[in-house]
Amino acid sequence: DAGVTQSPTHLIKTRGQHVTLRCSPISGHKSVSWYQQVLGQGPQFIFQYYEKEERGRGNFPDRFSARQFPNYSSELNVNALLLGDSALYLCASSLGGGPTGEQYFGPGTRLTVT
Amino acid sequence: AQSVAQPEDQVNVAEGNPLTVKCTYSVSGNPYLFWYVQYPNRGLQFLLKYITGDNLVKGSYGFEAEFNKSQTSFHLKKPSALVSDSALYFCAVRDGGGGGADGLTFGKGTHLIIQP
Repeated sequence: DAGVTQSPTHLIKTRGQHVTLRCSPISGHKSVSWYQQVLGQGPQFIFQYYEKEERGRGNFPDRFSARQFPNYSSELNVNALLLGDSALYLCASSLGGGPTGEQYFGPGTRLTVT
Repeated sequence: AQSVAQPEDQVNVAEGNPLTVKCTYSVSGNPYLFWYVQYPNRGLQFLLKYITGDNLVKGSYGFEAEFNKSQTSFHLKKPSALVSDSALYFCAVRDGGGGGADGLTFGKGTHLIIQP
């Protein structure tokens, strides 16, 4: 079975631009979470979606938004990019939306903002 | 609020020796604890979790972890290290009292280096 897939793999954007990152969860998984991993740090929670509803949101500005589609895939959007948004963006899927299930991570999208 | 501390940036172990990677946590409710491993240029792989029950949990690749409520710790262990265990290890926590809305909180990670 395919794992979590993310696209694109790498992305270079300029300050002020907008970016959309995409994620497809493991088949049968209904929850998708997004994390930002800055070099040398652990991942930081951005959003969780379950059954197309936002279930949780981390401490990120409103420039960050996301949505989940009927097929459970998800998009993360970031507006007005800043240099500090350069990071590895990880998507994770889990069967349900509860706190006890393990999350399975994709390979990530490396975003560089210049 | 929930938080995780991994006090060691790097742990060096000789191949065949036992290894321990330390983790302590802070939550207001019941802790749900996880260990993940990250290889270079790859996403995180789930190793094991503690939700409730037996304090010693076993996971993938021969790893295990011991939950200690009084010390608020969840150290990762393996009886005999392999060179292939060399990677970046993350401890993560979720607060059961928050209903999971906060997502996983990760530590900064510990580089595990197994020397042949």
